[in-house]
Amino acid sequence: DTAVSQTPKYLVTQMGNDKSIKCEQNLGHDTMYWYKQDSKKFLKIMFSYNNKELIINETVPNRFSPKSPDKAHLNLHINSLELGDSAVYFCASSASTARVDTGELFFGEGSRLTVL
Amino acid sequence: AQRVTQPEKLLSVFKGAPVELKCNYSYSGSPELFWYVQYSRQRLQLLLRHISRESIKGFTADLNKGETSFHLKKPFAQEEDSAMYYCALTTDSWGKLQFGAGTQVVVTP
Repeated sequence: DTAVSQTPKYLVTQMGNDKSIKCEQNLGHDTMYWYKQDSKKFLKIMFSYNNKELIINETVPNRFSPKSPDKAHLNLHINSLELGDSAVYFCASSASTARVDTGELFFGEGSRLTVL
Repeated sequence: AQRVTQPEKLLSVFKGAPVELKCNYSYSGSPELFWYVQYSRQRLQLLLRHISRESIKGFTADLNKGETSFHLKKPFAQEEDSAMYYCALTTDSWGKLQFGAGTQVVVTP
């Protein structure tokens, strides 16, 4: 029944490792996002895909690489993890098209990444 | 560049008291503004949007273009209103939301 699901919910890893977070939505939405929430709870957009096409790519280190195999999935791969990558990563989806949309994003529960 | 400011990190109110969460934005055009809420152990979810002019769970928010504000108000706070509230803005057609820093609301009995 879950609309937007992310795995894993918790991830603890060492600096320098490579890790992935997966996201799936069953809402039939065309657009998916990755947001990063830092330790001060500030939410910042990282990427957005519309129908498997990258449409938003904020200033994010190129160690972060999103991949969308189909419009229901958006994965985030992070290479050479650094301490500053520790955060909660939220996946979201919306019914955005090339026209102005309702602005309603449906969020996953978040994946808490801790880099030691 | 557009920016969303929520000046209060924490707002503590008594049950039954009015609550107002401040949100100011900077954008020269006509943005779309939203309030999102995250209850404890729940997902971030949309509370209300300015274009709908709706009242959700007793909350209302009026867009004041002169003051570039979109404050969230509720006349009588309830304990279940305790949550993290984010003001958000979008200026493009792809639903890219820019969030404020968030305000934690604690309603005490």
